[in-house]
Amino acid sequence: GNSVTQMEGPVTLSEEAFLTINCTYTATGYPSLFWYVQYPGEGLQLLLKATKADDKGSNKGFEATYRKETTSFHLEKGSVQVSDSAVYFCALPIFSGGYNKLIFGAGTRLAVHP
Amino acid sequence: NAGVTQTPKFRVLKTGQSMTLLCAQDMNHEYMYWYRQDPGMGLRLIHYSVGEGTTAKGEVPDGYNVSRLKKQNFLLGLESAAPSQTSVYFCASSYRGDDTQYFGPGTRLTVL
Repeated sequence: GNSVTQMEGPVTLSEEAFLTINCTYTATGYPSLFWYVQYPGEGLQLLLKATKADDKGSNKGFEATYRKETTSFHLEKGSVQVSDSAVYFCALPIFSGGYNKLIFGAGTRLAVHP
Repeated sequence: NAGVTQTPKFRVLKTGQSMTLLCAQDMNHEYMYWYRQDPGMGLRLIHYSVGEGTTAKGEVPDGYNVSRLKKQNFLLGLESAAPSQTSVYFCASSYRGDDTQYFGPGTRLTVL
């Protein structure tokens, strides 16, 4: 079946450290892949997406590359800031029944300290 | 443009009580969704709607009912709340079914 697996958190980093949050997926075909971010007290926001293999999504200094051969979509940022503290969700949209059924990973909490 | 708003933000219920959560969007979106978020499980779809007057079951619909009487509003009802329904509830909307979903800020519900 379709599924998303994310690395467990929490991830605690110092400001300006390098960030990687791992995400792997299982799906039929070659779906799009998303990263959502949830800041404290807020709803989920789409952070970036990739629609086909080898695509790189990027936004706010975050990047993720759609790797078909390893079925992965790892999120990276070269230098994190305190304001990046949030929960990050990898998601797989499966278009079925006329809408995108979003399959989410469990979420990874990131805490960045000054 | 408020986007997606949810009412209330917090609520505590006793087992067996009923309540309705309201979701409103001002983006003229056709599709609306209700999710629940539980620790370590990501978000799971409860019900969704593909347009005014329509509703359909998602992944975890038991114990919930929904209504979409107006295009901009999507209501989630709990007729007889149970402790297992303690969760954070998120509403989302999208213009088309294959479009990006926009999420509200969530409602934290505790059932004692």
